[in-house]
Amino acid sequence: QVQLVQSGAEVKTPGASVKVSCKEPASNWVHWVRQAPGQGLEWMGVINPSGDGTVYAQKFQGRVTMSRDTSTSTVYMELSSLRSDDTAVYYCARDHSRLDTDMGRYWWFDPWGQGTLVTVSS
Amino acid sequence: SSEVTQDPAVSVALGQTVRITCQGDSLRSNYVSWYQQRPGQAPVLVMSGKNNRPSGIPDRFSGSNSGNTASLTITGAQAEDEADYYCNSRDSTTNHWVFGGGTKLVVL
Repeated sequence: QVQLVQSGAEVKTPGASVKVSCKEPASNWVHWVRQAPGQGLEWMGVINPSGDGTVYAQKFQGRVTMSRDTSTSTVYMELSSLRSDDTAVYYCARDHSRLDTDMGRYWWFDPWGQGTLVTVSS
Repeated sequence: SSEVTQDPAVSVALGQTVRITCQGDSLRSNYVSWYQQRPGQAPVLVMSGKNNRPSGIPDRFSGSNSGNTASLTITGAQAEDEADYYCNSRDSTTNHWVFGGGTKLVVL
């Protein structure tokens, strides 16, 4: 599948907010995942197709807001009160699911965006 | 618990078979998906569900499940398979998703 297209790199000072965009032409749920330098993948949350439903990882509750503009097929992830340890590459990814007779519903993420580097530094 | 764990690193000789595992209580009733990430690149889906490979992923990649362990097997590993591999699963009680810590695969 064709990669989702994300906005460009950002440099922010501690305490600021950042808003990353992701062009998603399909009407699917969209996840956000981040990866700090040299670290693994970390799930942040997901937004539904209409943009009126979100689920956030507990770690980011109160600091993250995911939104969607269906008229432009764009999904957004805004992270506030930035700290140096928020420096990471942020990815969006399209959600898929299917029903299996043995295990019930299962999910996967495909495709992913190219990633957006957010650097938080004073 | 929704936590899933992976071995940090695994090595395999060129052309041999390697199994990358993902363990967690939630895996007794949930499939994982597997992602390959090469340095400086975005993750790419290589396996989902019981044993579903996306188009473009070589058939040397296969998936399996047993008890609390999901496995990604590469039969006849190639140099281009050297990458980080992550499993991902959904916790049905919290509606949250979680990634394993990742396994670095080295092809010798």
